[in-house]
Parts: sequence; structure tokens; C-alpha cells
Amino acid sequence: GAGVSQTPSNKVTEKGKYVELRCDPISGHTALYWYRQSLGQGPEFLIYFQGTGAADDSGLPNDRFFAVRPEGSVSTLKIQRTERGDSAVYLCASSLGGGAYEQYFGPGTRLTVT
Amino acid sequence: ELKVEQNPLFLSMQEGKNYTIYCNYSTTSDRLYWYRQDPGKSLESLFVLLSNGAVKQEGRLMASLDTKARLSTLHITAAVHDLSATYFCAVGNSGGSNYKLTFGKGTLLTVNP
Repeated sequence: GAGVSQTPSNKVTEKGKYVELRCDPISGHTALYWYRQSLGQGPEFLIYFQGTGAADDSGLPNDRFFAVRPEGSVSTLKIQRTERGDSAVYLCASSLGGGAYEQYFGPGTRLTVT
Repeated sequence: ELKVEQNPLFLSMQEGKNYTIYCNYSTTSDRLYWYRQDPGKSLESLFVLLSNGAVKQEGRLMASLDTKARLSTLHITAAVHDLSATYFCAVGNSGGSNYKLTFGKGTLLTVNP
């Protein structure tokens, strides 16, 4: 079946602009995660959804970052007033349930803030 | 806070040689993952290790887990060029935040002919 999909694959934006990154999880997966991968680093946890609610948003770096999952499927990561330090690959993952279920990763969105 | 250390971070090997990548982690966990990442691509799951002493093999790669030592190894046997990639270990948190994965910095493996 289809894997996790993310759009756009690449996004270039100017400093100070607003961006939205979309994630479409594997059908039937109730848990969804966002990670951020900076150049030369491993992915870092941002936020975890169980169903429609954000069960853990402790990894969001500041209040410019926000994510939603209104119908318990597709999720959107929103970044306001982008800064050059936000440039990274944003990875989405989904799993059948929360907890220790294996996470399946999407191809990522490469965000470049100029 | 769970910390994960991988070493080496950079590994250049000749085809046909053997080598081991190490992954140490700081607190108790009940599962560990190895992923492969090719340039510009996402993470491909290689192994899931769920218990002390677990050993899994796929082709030229073999992963093991020692939960008492908080150590996992990824052993490469008779390396070939196609294995060139970045390899990450990721450790699952325990307890109430067991959904959270903490990744190492990755090992960039280059296999030279």
C-alpha cells in the first residue's frame, strides 16, 4: 500500500514568511509524528499526535511552530515568521498506534529559508 | 534525558572489508532501531531489536543489542559499494513517552572500490 507522503518535497521561502508543510500518513495509522533533521544530524522529535490531538508537543522549538491534525489523518506543520535557522528537512512518520509501534517515515520536505 | 551516541561518525572502508558501527545510549530502553538514509532520501528501516541479546541479519549487515551494556552494534561484512549511505540508530524512550525516538547523529559510510 501507499506509504507516508509529504508535500511539497522542497520549499524555498524568504525570512519572515509563513509556510505550511503537509503530511499524509499511512491509511489506518492513528499516530503521527513530526521530526526535524538539520544538516549532518539525526532527526529530532517535534510533536506527536494520537488521533486529532497533540499528545506531546514538547519538541517544538518555540511558538512560531504549530501543527494540526483536524480529522485524525492529514497533518499540517505551520511555521510563522520563518528564520534562516529553520532551514532543515522536516520528516513525518506514522504508526499503527501510539507507544512502541514501529514508525514509518515519509520522504521529507526540505525547507530553505533565504 | 535519553542520549544516543554513535561512533564512528565517518567511516571510509574498502570493498571486501569488515567493520562495526557502535550505538550507545544513556537510559533503559526496550527497543532500538537501525535506519539507512541515502542522500536526499528518507529513512529506510533496517532492523528492529526488542530484547537483550537480539541479533538480526540481512545480507551483509548484522545488528545486535545488549540492553545491559546499553549498546547496539551494526556489523558490516565484506562491504560493497552499494552499502554507502548514512546509518542511524534510534532508541525508543521508556515509560510514558515510549512513542518518542531519540536518534544518534548518524554514521556516514563510504565504501571505496
